[in-house]
Amino acid sequence: EVQLLDSGGGLVQPGGSLRLSCAASGFIFDTFRTYAMSWVRQAPGKGLEWVATISGSGSSTFYADSVKGRFTISRDNSKNTLYLQMNSLRAEDTAVFYCAKAWRTTLTISHFDSWGQGTLVAVSS
Amino acid sequence: EIVMTQSPATLSVSPGERATLSCRASQGVRTNLAWYQQKPGQPPRLLIYGASSRATGIPPRFSGSGSGTEFTLTISSLQSEDFAVYYCQQYDNWPLTFGGGTKVEIK
Repeated sequence: EVQLLDSGGGLVQPGGSLRLSCAASGFIFDTFRTYAMSWVRQAPGKGLEWVATISGSGSSTFYADSVKGRFTISRDNSKNTLYLQMNSLRAEDTAVFYCAKAWRTTLTISHFDSWGQGTLVAVSS
Repeated sequence: EIVMTQSPATLSVSPGERATLSCRASQGVRTNLAWYQQKPGQPPRLLIYGASSRATGIPPRFSGSGSGTEFTLTISSLQSEDFAVYYCQQYDNWPLTFGGGTKVEIK
């Protein structure tokens, strides 16, 4: 069974930076590298918002307009780990951030069949 | 951007009754539509993908239908554990987008 463990959240001042990590386990035969991975966030009391997706190889990335130019998604397939580097943080970025796995290998655009527990990012002075 | 609109925002249902949730896309997404269930303090759980296919381990009381712009999630007989918020998501085009959610509460 795939397990995703999000970490790295915390309190940061506006304009600051933070890097989130998502450690993945339970992938059969080293297949983490074949699945696209994404970050999805949820502001307090609000709905879900897709943030970014990275292909299995890491060669393709996609971003929501709200974070483009400020956030960078990356992955280290040798460590089965997904990252989200967040710069120039704003109050409106305050949310629980979830990492999520694409349903099937080779699919970049997809729904999500496994989710991390989430890590809270709070942007405030 | 494809806007996903869910209705109603809140649905009050008695245990054992049927619940019908709607999701509308601002443009056609074929059957590239998923439904998730989320309970307080938990991540979303995939229920339905491809508009009508149940995810692994999802009981048959959950069913999805629709294509193009109109989709429905039906819970045939609500159990206590089904009271939660439900989201639809389209994955036909970038950016991926979610509906605003329907909260299913106990009547």
